[in-house]
Amino acid sequence: GAVVSQHPSRVICKSGTSVKIECRSLDFQATTMFWYRQFPKQSLMLMATSNEGSKATYEQGVEKDKFLINHASLTLSTLTVTSAHPEDSSFYICSAPPNPLQGGADEQFFGPGTRLTVL
Amino acid sequence: AQKITQTQPGMFVQEKEAVTLDCTYDTSDPSYGLFWYKQPSSGEMIFLIYQGSYDQQNATEGRYSLNFQKARKSANLVISASQLGDSAMYFCAMREGLTGGGNKLTFGTGTQLKVEL
Repeated sequence: GAVVSQHPSRVICKSGTSVKIECRSLDFQATTMFWYRQFPKQSLMLMATSNEGSKATYEQGVEKDKFLINHASLTLSTLTVTSAHPEDSSFYICSAPPNPLQGGADEQFFGPGTRLTVL
Repeated sequence: AQKITQTQPGMFVQEKEAVTLDCTYDTSDPSYGLFWYKQPSSGEMIFLIYQGSYDQQNATEGRYSLNFQKARKSANLVISASQLGDSAMYFCAMREGLTGGGNKLTFGTGTQLKVEL
């Protein structure tokens, strides 16, 4: 099946620094990717929809200036947590649906996730 | 209103027994897709099974089957012959619209399944 990778898998940083997380679709093109956040023992909450070649669409309550999303190519989306604080510590996970115009299936493929800890 | 409701925060099942994880959904869109994912402690989201709103038959994938009752808006996951490795968090999710591209998933709160000897 299709594979989505994320890097890094785990990051620990000091408060105030910025952290970049990469999400790549390895064997298919993804014009859209989704970024989710998951706090411990909670569900996945959609943060934003990343669109190749255009601005990301953010969910209500998500600060677009804090969580910068860039979808630079059909296989890469990046999420940058700017000026991270301890409350940003969470599990960030991306997903990418295969392009239906290329015969993609219904399934959404998830990356392995990035665990961010802000000290 | 919650779009996806999972009322069982935790479930226990004995090894080799079957277990049903409940999921109800709410949508006014006639075209939608329902998913079940397994999330072990490592955090990865493992796709289990998919049911489209127009599918006439219940989806099955190996030991997983989806009990789709459209009129009741329920999409329960049935795991047969439970194994110790099935212990994990299980999420039900819905996509409004049938095509995969561009349509986000909305997740339920999850059910923590523990398989016991």
